[in-house]
Amino acid sequence: LAKTTQPISMDSYEGQEVNITCSHNNIATNDYITWYQQFPSQGPRFIIQGYKTKVTNEVASLFIPADRKSSTLSLPRVSLSDTAVYYCLVGDMWGYGGSQGNLIFGKGTKLSVKP
Amino acid sequence: DADVTQTPRNRITKTGKRIMLECSQTKGHDRMYWYRQDPGLGLRLIYYSFDVKDINKGEISDGYSVSRQAQAKFSLSLESAIPNQTALYFCATSDPPSGATDTQYFGPGTRLTVL
Repeated sequence: LAKTTQPISMDSYEGQEVNITCSHNNIATNDYITWYQQFPSQGPRFIIQGYKTKVTNEVASLFIPADRKSSTLSLPRVSLSDTAVYYCLVGDMWGYGGSQGNLIFGKGTKLSVKP
Repeated sequence: DADVTQTPRNRITKTGKRIMLECSQTKGHDRMYWYRQDPGLGLRLIYYSFDVKDINKGEISDGYSVSRQAQAKFSLSLESAIPNQTALYFCATSDPPSGATDTQYFGPGTRLTVL
């Protein structure tokens, strides 16, 4: 089971780019990296997923170095509405007999965006 | 996500009572999950089910049981509720893996208080 380590909290200001790094030193060959966002009293929401290099969608970018032992979620030009908890999950997609790391959310990173 | 519903949304009960939390989904997903969230502890996996005949324990299954009545329904029971089971409970669903994405979709949550 790939263990992940994220900062407990981060502060930013509106309009800035925010980068949240997740460490996963024992990531396995079949593991993907997935990030979720959670607002207070709501369920988490999928943001982005990747295996290697860079993935970009309309919300964020995910940077994964060649050794895949870490990943960085990048949020461009954050706004107050990006204040939330962000979770990094690492695991394979199959589940049966394999890693269920993609079901382990941990404590996440609490991002606070200030005016 | 309106496709995943949880009932009740709020429940206050007393120690020793039997409680059932219900989850229904219209997404047609095979996989369903139950999580609990406590302040400062993030989300923790209680049970998960990859299809109607499959039930698996998560990180913290003690004191809980589940029933997968149909593809669309997954219930969580507390046979004899205790105060430290006071938490926010989330149900989630996902597709079997296809390609690189196995995204979990969360319900709105059930806030349970055990007195």
